[in-house]
Amino acid sequence: DVKVTQSSRYLVKRTGEKVFLECVQDMDHENMFWYRQDPGLGLRLIYFSYDVKMKEKGDIPEGYSVSREKKERFSLILESASTNQTSMYLCASSAPYEQYFGPGTRLTVT
Amino acid sequence: GNSVTQMEGPVTLSEEAFLTINCTYTATGYPSLFWYVQYPGEGLQLLLKATKADDKGSNKGFEATYRKETTSFHLEKGSVQVSDSAVYFCALSPRGFGNEKLTFGTGTRLTIIP
Repeated sequence: DVKVTQSSRYLVKRTGEKVFLECVQDMDHENMFWYRQDPGLGLRLIYFSYDVKMKEKGDIPEGYSVSREKKERFSLILESASTNQTSMYLCASSAPYEQYFGPGTRLTVT
Repeated sequence: GNSVTQMEGPVTLSEEAFLTINCTYTATGYPSLFWYVQYPGEGLQLLLKATKADDKGSNKGFEATYRKETTSFHLEKGSVQVSDSAVYFCALSPRGFGNEKLTFGTGTRLTIIP
């Protein structure tokens, strides 16, 4: 079974803090993704990576950065957290015709 | 650009009722189409897919047919169960491979009452 794990299920941070969200997959997939899920807006792509050290901006990259130093790990970084970044964050990795999602991290910024 | 429009929720049905969740899309070329499901407290998981026009995807009693002429991919199930309560997302893969960035609809929350 493909497994995608995320470092935290729930996270509470203060405005201005630097936040790291970690994602690890165990199936040697090349492509990995970070999405943000908000009610009424569905999933929106923040960044994706198609290889180690390669990254591309998605639809809403502002305020975020990413790091992929190893194939199995894809990190999302909030350089200076703001309240409008309170959301559910979903990581995914993909094989042909299927993306596999982690359980999500619910981040609250106060 | 690419877009997916799903019927607004939430949808509440009684057990054994017939389910339809509408999904229409806008895309150039030959996209692949997907339905993903998110059970409470979990990430999304693939429910079914169709990679070309007139294909029918099916899984767990759910079906959806890729209709190019109406740009639709409606999800159906003949008899729903309480365990089908979840959020359902329609999505498309623009170049058809499914391992690239997907465009998702806004999701439809389904609740089945016994």
